[in-house]
Amino acid sequence: QQPVQSPQAVILREGEDAVINCSSSKALYSVHWYRQKHGEAPVFLMILLKGGEQKGHEKISASFNEKKQQSSLYLTASQLSYSGTYFCGTEFLLGGSQGNLIFGKGTKLSVKP
Amino acid sequence: EAQVTQNPRYLITVTGKKLTVTCSQNMNHEYMSWYRQDPGLGLRQIYYSMNVEVTDKGDVPEGYKVSRKEKRNFPLILESPSPNQTSLYFCASSLWGSGGSSYEQYFGPGTRLTVT
Repeated sequence: QQPVQSPQAVILREGEDAVINCSSSKALYSVHWYRQKHGEAPVFLMILLKGGEQKGHEKISASFNEKKQQSSLYLTASQLSYSGTYFCGTEFLLGGSQGNLIFGKGTKLSVKP
Repeated sequence: EAQVTQNPRYLITVTGKKLTVTCSQNMNHEYMSWYRQDPGLGLRQIYYSMNVEVTDKGDVPEGYKVSRKEKRNFPLILESPSPNQTSLYFCASSLWGSGGSSYEQYFGPGTRLTVT
């Protein structure tokens, strides 16, 4: 049931772009994205809901393909501050309660000068 | 300042000695949740609560108890801790409404627990 994130790790140079993917084996109600820096708590980035609604920070973009049960997080013109581990969390449409958020194992992003 | 607080931040204990990790939020959030984080496994939800006296199991509830008697507090209880409960624990809170949990979660700073 745990969503699968890919890649597991990625190294970028400042200014480069990256895409982080999150795939589920079950139909999704929502996808949440968080970033965690080393030694800190996760910080909210974005929520994508079934039906197309999105809530999040203006500088972050993401997509939610309901048919494919996938979400992607797009990081453009990366900055050093983008470094950290990115987690997607999923809520299922059926067979699970809303509020039961299941996170993937994370994608470690390193941005080099 | 809007925040989620956890206490203690660090705890070393022995197998079988009951302990409680407190979590409190000052944002009047309905939803609160506990997660554990272990290397390579991501965040795993232990329990969550949609409002006072309403709690439900997450993915790894075994060995844990929770209670939600007040809106602001959501303590995590380990009645008989074991070494496999050594982990980093996070409490989180958010709004809750007709959109379910589709609101930003605010995480506490974490509690690092070691059970020997």
